[in-house]
Amino acid sequence: DIQMTQSPSTLSASVGDRVTITCRASQSISTWLAWYQQKPGRAPKLLIYKASSLQSGVPSRFSGSGSGTEFTLTISSLQPDDFATYYCQQYNSYVWTFGQGTKVEIK
Amino acid sequence: EVQLVESGGGLVQPGGSLRLSCAASGFTFSSYSMNWVRQAPGKGLEWVSYITSGSSTIYYPDSVKGRFTISRDNAKNSLYLQMNSLRAEDTAVYYCARAGSVYQYFDYWGQGTLVTVSS
Repeated sequence: DIQMTQSPSTLSASVGDRVTITCRASQSISTWLAWYQQKPGRAPKLLIYKASSLQSGVPSRFSGSGSGTEFTLTISSLQPDDFATYYCQQYNSYVWTFGQGTKVEIK
Repeated sequence: EVQLVESGGGLVQPGGSLRLSCAASGFTFSSYSMNWVRQAPGKGLEWVSYITSGSSTIYYPDSVKGRFTISRDNAKNSLYLQMNSLRAEDTAVYYCARAGSVYQYFDYWGQGTLVTVSS
C-alpha cells in the first residue's frame, strides 16, 4: 500500500499567517492527491483534488501544488475558520490511504 | 443539495455483527461509486470499502477483508456496510462518502455513525 506522510503533525499559527503543510507519498502518485479539512465532531470536507484543483465553494486562499511524491497545501492568509485538522489522501491505487493529519492551532 | 445520512451504529460485543446504512439524496445515486471511511476516536481517517455504481467492482483494505461487506440498493438510494466478527479496533465513527464523478477522491461525506465494540 502507498504510505502518506504529512508534516508537521501540529502547526501553531496566527490569523493572517501564510501556512504550508507538506504531504509525501511512498511512491509516485502523479497528481492523484486530495486535501480535506476536518473540524472537531464534523465530517471531512474536500478542499483540493488532483493536487491543485480547488473544489467548488472553497475560498481561494487555499491552494495545492506538487506531483509525483511531494505535495503541499498552502493557506495564503489564515482565517479564524481555518483552525482545523487537514488530511491528504492519495487515490492513485484502489487502496485509498490518508496522511496522519496536521492540526492547525491558534498561536 | 447532496445529503448522505448514516444510521445503524451502536454498541456491540466483540465477535458480534452490525449493519450500517447510508441514505443518499440530492443526486443521482445510481451514477456514483461510493465508499465507507472510518475514524477511531482521536485518530486519523481510514478507508474501509468501495463499490462502483452498478456494484460490479468492490474493494476492501486487508484490515476488514473477509469480515465486512459493502452493498447498495440503487432503487432505494441506499448504501450498506455489513460488519461481522467485530473487534475492539473496529470502534470508530463510520462515514459514507461519495466518489467524484470522474476521479476517485471523496467529494461529499455524511455526518457519521459511531460504532463501539466492547464487552
